[in-house]
Amino acid sequence: QEQLVESGGGVVPPGGSLRLSCAASGFTFSFYGMNWVRQAPGKGLEWVAFIRYDGSHQYYGDSMKGRFTVSRDNSKSTLYLQMSGLRADDTAVYFCAKENAPDYPGSGTYFTRGAFDIWGQGTVVTVSS
Amino acid sequence: EIVLTQSPGTLSLSPGDRATLSCRASQSIGRNYLAWYQHKSGQAPRLLIYGASSRAIGIPDRFSGSGSGTDFTLTISSLEPEDFALYYCQQYGTSPPLTFGGGTKVEIK
Repeated sequence: QEQLVESGGGVVPPGGSLRLSCAASGFTFSFYGMNWVRQAPGKGLEWVAFIRYDGSHQYYGDSMKGRFTVSRDNSKSTLYLQMSGLRADDTAVYFCAKENAPDYPGSGTYFTRGAFDIWGQGTVVTVSS
Repeated sequence: EIVLTQSPGTLSLSPGDRATLSCRASQSIGRNYLAWYQHKSGQAPRLLIYGASSRAIGIPDRFSGSGSGTDFTLTISSLEPEDFALYYCQQYGTSPPLTFGGGTKVEIK
């Protein structure tokens, strides 16, 4: 059974840092691009970041650029999101999500290839003093 | 950036009714890379439709997607009690940033 489990959320003061993890199981993690998506309280879904199947390309939402870094360890089937310079408006539930189309060398695409078919349950990040 | 506008914001219907949700893009979405998700509070979002009209694995056939270019529709042919939820459209796979619509809440009338 394909599964994603996030961890690492918590309460952090403004300007602080936090690293989220997303452990994957039930599928070949190294074949798929992965994403982070967040939902702030009372708001809709917001895309945070994408990383290609081999880690060669990363892209971010505008408000995350320069502050967030997405990475992955395919040997551990784990996705990460390093967040720094956190602000109150970063308070949200953070989800990791798998794409429903595998990528491969020579595909010619460097961004997302599919919709998000598997999501984790989310981890809560609260930025507050 | 492709902006997705969903309408209506809220749809008040009864079980058994037909639901029609709209998603309009600010520019044409390449390869119809448009998805629909169902989201219930405290749960992970659930992929319903991808590629504008392909049902995801395990999704009942009362859910259908249609449209191309800038105008897309999610139709629920006959609402079941478990279908009352928030629905989001999303465009993916063109170029960053990936974007979601603001959502449509389907509530019990």
